Amino acid sequence: KQEVTQIPAALSVPEGENLVLNCSFTDSAIYNLQWFRQDPGKGLTSLLLIQSSQREQTSGRLNASLDKSSGRSTLYIAASQPGDSATYLCAVGGAGNMLTFGGGTRLMVKP
Amino acid sequence: DTAVSQTPKYLVTQMGNDKSIKCEQNLGHDTMYWYKQDSKKFLKIMFSYNNKELIINETVPNRFSPKSPDKAHLNLHINSLELGDSAVYFCASSQDLFSRELDNEQFFGPGTRLTVL
Repeated sequence: KQEVTQIPAALSVPEGENLVLNCSFTDSAIYNLQWFRQDPGKGLTSLLLIQSSQREQTSGRLNASLDKSSGRSTLYIAASQPGDSATYLCAVGGAGNMLTFGGGTRLMVKP
Repeated sequence: DTAVSQTPKYLVTQMGNDKSIKCEQNLGHDTMYWYKQDSKKFLKIMFSYNNKELIINETVPNRFSPKSPDKAHLNLHINSLELGDSAVYFCASSQDLFSRELDNEQFFGPGTRLTVL
């Protein structure tokens, strides 16, 4: 059974700082890995999708990496802004493309 | 031009009632999903469904049943509601289900907050 863990659970940084969010998973037989953002009381916004054959994806200030053999992914956020404050969720796609989610990292970027 | 929409946004009901949550996607996707986010904000898959196959998470009680009138809709029916069913339910969709090579990015709806009294 796939288990996904995100560290840290919460993070507070000053504006402008570069930061890394970590995600680990127990079963390396994955289809893909997807990073989401969730704002309070809102739905999920897809940030980046990495297929199992890829090692990284970039979108603007975001860069996500995938190391299947070690069961790890990182989300790098450059030059953080207060608008980046949200909960970031890592999800691993398995059989049936069903996603297994981590518990999330609550990020607060202070002005 | 919402990609994945859900109704209602909020649903408050009594224990024992039967209720439905509707989901529609206008992305032309073949596969739809239901997820549950509990009070601790932990998201868990309930079902994935396309016109070929329904895949059920083994932990989902059989009081929950997805019903798809057509490819663009996947409704969630819940019978005999219990207090523990209170949660936010998210619908999602993706292009395909079985191919590892296609882009299977999932797009989520805004969620339905269900409160069982």
